[in-house]
Amino acid sequence: EVQLVESGGGLVKPGGSLRLSCAASGFTFSSYSMNWVRQAPGKGLEWVSSISSSSSYIYYADSVKGRFTISRDNAKNSLYLQMNSLRAEDTAVYYCARDIRDGSSGEYYFDYWGQGTLVTVSS
Amino acid sequence: SYELTQPPSVSVSPGQTARITCSGDALPKQYAYWYQQKPGQAPVLVIYKDSERPSGIPERFSGSSSGTTVTLTISGVQAEDEADYYCQSADSSGTYQNVVFGGGTKLTVL
Repeated sequence: EVQLVESGGGLVKPGGSLRLSCAASGFTFSSYSMNWVRQAPGKGLEWVSSISSSSSYIYYADSVKGRFTISRDNAKNSLYLQMNSLRAEDTAVYYCARDIRDGSSGEYYFDYWGQGTLVTVSS
Repeated sequence: SYELTQPPSVSVSPGQTARITCSGDALPKQYAYWYQQKPGQAPVLVIYKDSERPSGIPERFSGSSSGTTVTLTISGVQAEDEADYYCQSADSSGTYQNVVFGGGTKLTVL
């Protein structure tokens, strides 16, 4: 059974930093690209970042570029999100999600999601 | 940036058919995907590649595409289908493929 378990969320002051983790199990982690998707309270879903299986390709949403860093450790079956210079608008539940990619078109979608971890940025 | 447009809400009575639309200029060229999200829970994929249903998703969930609009249809709606539904597609307007979500539609079962 595929499982994704996020951790590391909490309350942080504006300008502060936080590191999220996602522990994966039930599948060959090193074979899949992974993502972070967030959802502000009462709002919709927003893709944040993706990382390819070997960390060769990394992409960010414009809203977090230069502040957030995605990484992974395939030996530990873990995905990370280092969040710096946090702003009030970064307050959200952060989900770790596995993606399925179409090799020809490059399109991808999310077949498994974790339960999320809440990040609150407030003074 | 590319946008997908969904109606904020749809209401149906139990047993009726619910149709949730998602519009976007690139949908004729890109697949659409649909997620169901119940309160306090993570999203669940219910339709991929416009009309394919993942294993474990009830047959009453179906998807279709016509021009710039894709539609999620739930036939014989049940109380347990009350949830938020999000469409997703690809944004290829930049230098690489990105993911874009619609704003979400709240399905209310009356």
